[in-house]
Amino acid sequence: TQLLEQSPQFLSIQEGENLTVYCNSSSVFSSLQWYRQEPGEGPVLLVTVVTGGEVKKLKRLTFQFGDARKDSSLHITAAQPGDTGLYLCAGGSGGSNYKLTFGKGTLLTVNP
Amino acid sequence: NAGVTQTPKFQVLKTGQSMTLQCAQDMNHNSMYWYRQDPGMGLRLIYYSASEGTTDKGEVPNGYNVSRLNKREFSLRLESAAPSQTSVYFCASSRTSGPQHFGDGTRLSIL
Repeated sequence: TQLLEQSPQFLSIQEGENLTVYCNSSSVFSSLQWYRQEPGEGPVLLVTVVTGGEVKKLKRLTFQFGDARKDSSLHITAAQPGDTGLYLCAGGSGGSNYKLTFGKGTLLTVNP
Repeated sequence: NAGVTQTPKFQVLKTGQSMTLQCAQDMNHNSMYWYRQDPGMGLRLIYYSASEGTTDKGEVPNGYNVSRLNKREFSLRLESAAPSQTSVYFCASSRTSGPQHFGDGTRLSIL
């Protein structure tokens, strides 16, 4: 069974601070996806990384896939209240039976 | 621009009752999934359907059944609801190995 450990579980910061969320596993994944979920809604995809060492930037968000494709991080620069939400990492595996293994999520609160 | 549509949005059941959660997608995706989300547990896969006509068990299939009615629709059935099945249920769809698109969930309480 593949597991993804996500840390921290909760994070409460002030507007303007930087933060990093980690997603770690002992398993190799073919891809790693990050989702953000707001209350009362389903998760929404932020980014997919597929190559070991890959770095993707989405405005103030920077995503990195580890060289061995077992871990990933999400860094937010100068956080804003609009960044508040549940951040989920998900590792993809399998060919024709492709499915995702989700981490338990990081609940981020950015206070104004 | 509906994406993934789940019905109902809310439901309260008594222990032992049965019900079917409906899910439909309009993105012509091959794969569809059912998850449950519980506090502190993240999203756990119940069943998935890699393509029309096939279904497979996920991490937590006990107490559930699914039907891939056609390419668009994938339903989840609780035959005899138990309080442990109180949860938020999400349906998702994707191309074979693409990112998943989620519905807004069904909030199910079993008394």
